[in-house]
Amino acid sequence: DTEVTQTPKHLVMGMTNKKSLKCEQHMGHRAMYWYKQKAKKPPELMFVYSYEKLSINESVPSRFSPECPNSSLLNLHLHALQPEDSALYLCASSSGTGNYEQYFGPGTRLTVT
Amino acid sequence: GDSVTQMEGPVTLSEEAFLTINCTYTATGYPSLFWYVQYPGEGLQLLLKATKADDKGSNKGFEATYRKETTSFHLEKGSVQVSDSAVYFCALSDRYSVNAGKSTFGDGTTLTVKP
Repeated sequence: DTEVTQTPKHLVMGMTNKKSLKCEQHMGHRAMYWYKQKAKKPPELMFVYSYEKLSINESVPSRFSPECPNSSLLNLHLHALQPEDSALYLCASSSGTGNYEQYFGPGTRLTVT
Repeated sequence: GDSVTQMEGPVTLSEEAFLTINCTYTATGYPSLFWYVQYPGEGLQLLLKATKADDKGSNKGFEATYRKETTSFHLEKGSVQVSDSAVYFCALSDRYSVNAGKSTFGDGTTLTVKP
């Protein structure tokens, strides 16, 4: 099973709301990633968890808060977002060793109003 | 730092035409190279990979060869189909760098195949 699942598929939230994005993989991968993707652009790395520890934070604003409850799950907590945060949020996983090929989920389309 | 440069798009081809999308890279170490494809409304999918010089990655009729001497990893397909219409991203990951596990992506090339 090479599937990464993400929920919800679409999310509309106001600037004062708190919401969470969820990601799950069952490939035994030990590295998980959050990316932000704007239209017609490559994905931009936000966070990397390696063996359930945050290993890379690409200077992401604190209104985005990642969490890795266990090796299969990754959450992204959202609070007080801005309209410019509207984008496709992609989760990915990799084995955590070797070649670091990544397996992506279908993404959550986020709109901030 | 590491970087990936892809040929600018968009690319429009007729069905059964030959496809080449150029990709060159710079890396301080010895990276693994990847092509990812993103169909409309979906996430990225790994299309093929190569991990050392002269390796050829292949999948679904697509091929790319890791050329260390020219730092290139060009994507080719002999006969494209309408269903190949998508955005293609070249990427690298340097497993020996301090940021091992972090991938660097090119800007993407949009391919449209017309019947």
